[in-house]
Amino acid sequence: AQKVTQAQTEISVVEKEDVTLDCVYETRDTTYYLFWYKQPPSGELVFLIRRNSFDEQNEISGRYSWNFQKSTSSFNFTITASQVVDSAVYFCALSERYNQGGKLIFGQGTELSVKP
Amino acid sequence: DSGVTQTPKHLITATGQRVTLRCSPRSGDLSVYWYQQSLDQGLQFLIQYYNGEERAKGNILERFSAQQFPDLHSELNLSSLELGDSALYFCASSASTGGAEAFFGQGTRLTVV
Repeated sequence: AQKVTQAQTEISVVEKEDVTLDCVYETRDTTYYLFWYKQPPSGELVFLIRRNSFDEQNEISGRYSWNFQKSTSSFNFTITASQVVDSAVYFCALSERYNQGGKLIFGQGTELSVKP
Repeated sequence: DSGVTQTPKHLITATGQRVTLRCSPRSGDLSVYWYQQSLDQGLQFLIQYYNGEERAKGNILERFSAQQFPDLHSELNLSSLELGDSALYFCASSASTGGAEAFFGQGTRLTVV
């Protein structure tokens, strides 16, 4: 069965702290894709990153970095030197290559609050 | 701006009524997805269309239906509305299926009173 678990419901940090958002997934497929989306207070869902199951290289984009580990079925997201504008709900999602046309299975989200 | 347009942004209606939510995908995207976001259920996949044909179905109620038109825009029809249908409804589009990144519209916030 497909499942995404974001065990951290809420995280609160002070500006400039580093913070890691955890994501654990379950899938039987060997080909799958993992995503992170950001939902700021305004409500829209903003695409951040997509990784496929064959590419375990970590990725860095500015203050954002992602650590994909198939051995632990995890796809964690780290924000370095957090800023108030990073305050949002972050969703991890899974899509399986051959199942159901690419629908996204979302985790429950982690609400990140960055205080000045 | 994701390039996906949803209208209306807000909708308030009474129980028992019917509403239509509209979505225009990003230029060139053939795949349209509808998702429902509620406090108790989180983000749930409803239905997907690809180039005019239904491709996948999730936990969509029988009172809900959708279609994708030849110009690729999509509509989600919600009928016999109940209080529990109050939610944020998102449309997303992608260039293809099977793992392509999906870009989301701003959502339609539906309030049933």
